[in-house]
Amino acid sequence: DIQMTQSPPSVSASVGDRVTITCRASQDISSWLAWYQQKPGKAPTLLIYAASSLQSGVPSRFSGSGSGTDFTLTINSLQPEDSATYYCQQANSFTFGPGTTVDIK
Amino acid sequence: QVQLQQWGAGLLKPSETLSLTCAVYGGSFSGYYWSWIRQPPGKGLEWIGEINHSGSTNYNSSLKSRVTISVDTSKNQFSLKLSSLTAADTAVYYCARGNLQLWSAWGQGTLVIVYS
Repeated sequence: DIQMTQSPPSVSASVGDRVTITCRASQDISSWLAWYQQKPGKAPTLLIYAASSLQSGVPSRFSGSGSGTDFTLTINSLQPEDSATYYCQQANSFTFGPGTTVDIK
Repeated sequence: QVQLQQWGAGLLKPSETLSLTCAVYGGSFSGYYWSWIRQPPGKGLEWIGEINHSGSTNYNSSLKSRVTISVDTSKNQFSLKLSSLTAADTAVYYCARGNLQLWSAWGQGTLVIVYS
């Protein structure tokens, strides 16, 4: 089975900062990667699919990149409402990464 | 705008069977796979299984022996049964709409606690 890892496990940043989260697959998954945002007590929401395609309605400050085994989620100009846990998911299977928690300083 | 509404018992004892149902309102029911995903308190997400409108299922191999997912297309509903519960099954259970293993719509979640 393909394993997904994320780093860092948590990050604390200020409003307006750029935040980068990394996801790594244990083997080549091409661009089959999605990112989800989950706020406390809520269901996850799909942010990005196919590694870099923005889901409809998601703010443009979110972007994704990468292919193969290494992927990145970038939040440009962090906003207070971006405080959440972010999960990557191998999108041709059903495997999620362990999550990265983003806090606002 | 699709909406998923789920319900079921939230307090169960070891060895009992969990039973949850998810109703789908709005949008197509036949064009998607319908999944159950769970999240233990403070932990990450685990896919349980999925079903399509024809009743074709896929299950997580680690849970397959205990899981049954069924569909009622006349009501646009699908259901989860998980048997032989233990404390390790305590989690928030979500239903979700899937397409190509991407989940773009989710239910509100149901906290299921297995206690002795």
